[in-house]
Amino acid sequence: SYELTQPPSVSVSPGQTASIPCSGDKLGNKYASWYQQKPGQSPVLVIYQDAKRPSGIPERFSGSNSGNTATLTISGTLAMDEADYYCQAWDSITGVFGTGTKVTVL
Amino acid sequence: EVQLVQSGAEVKKPGESLKISCKGSGYSFSSYWIGWVRQMPGKGLEWMGIIYPGDSDTRYSPSFQGQVTISADRTITTAYLRWSSLKASDTAMYYCARQDAQLDAFDIWGQGTMVTVSS
Repeated sequence: SYELTQPPSVSVSPGQTASIPCSGDKLGNKYASWYQQKPGQSPVLVIYQDAKRPSGIPERFSGSNSGNTATLTISGTLAMDEADYYCQAWDSITGVFGTGTKVTVL
Repeated sequence: EVQLVQSGAEVKKPGESLKISCKGSGYSFSSYWIGWVRQMPGKGLEWMGIIYPGDSDTRYSPSFQGQVTISADRTITTAYLRWSSLKASDTAMYYCARQDAQLDAFDIWGQGTMVTVSS
């Protein structure tokens, strides 16, 4: 079955840029989306179709997808961005989530 | 307001059956896929399956095929996730989410239903 791999954790200083990779076979040929989940809360969509932001998501969130890797970038990271982040893509007719990355703002 | 409201927490014993629900409102329920996502305690999100209430077309992740049943009743704008015989390993938070075909993503999520299976 299709797998998406993310690093378990990423640390970033406030105001700096955090990059979260998501790796999967030929992922660049699929659409990737990204979700943010804070403790005790439901996930929230932050990026869809590789690089688009839903209404209400700050511009500091951006995405890209090429080759085998999709990347979520948080520019000018704020303390409120500390959360778990999951990529997601479609494998044929079913979906799959990445393993998840905990972003810590130090 | 577009929202998905899930049924409340459940505590069950191994071998029991269970059906949890997800009620959609504020949009055309029949026209959007509804997916189910599992999150075991302290773990990541797992894509379980998805249903199109308009025609009940249903797809399952291979990991969950045969383990659960997804259904929907468009007349009461509600989707369901059912187990016929629960196991302790089914203990998890379960989320429903709306799949917007225009976005290829889950844009609206329910608040989650915690299922605890313990003898």
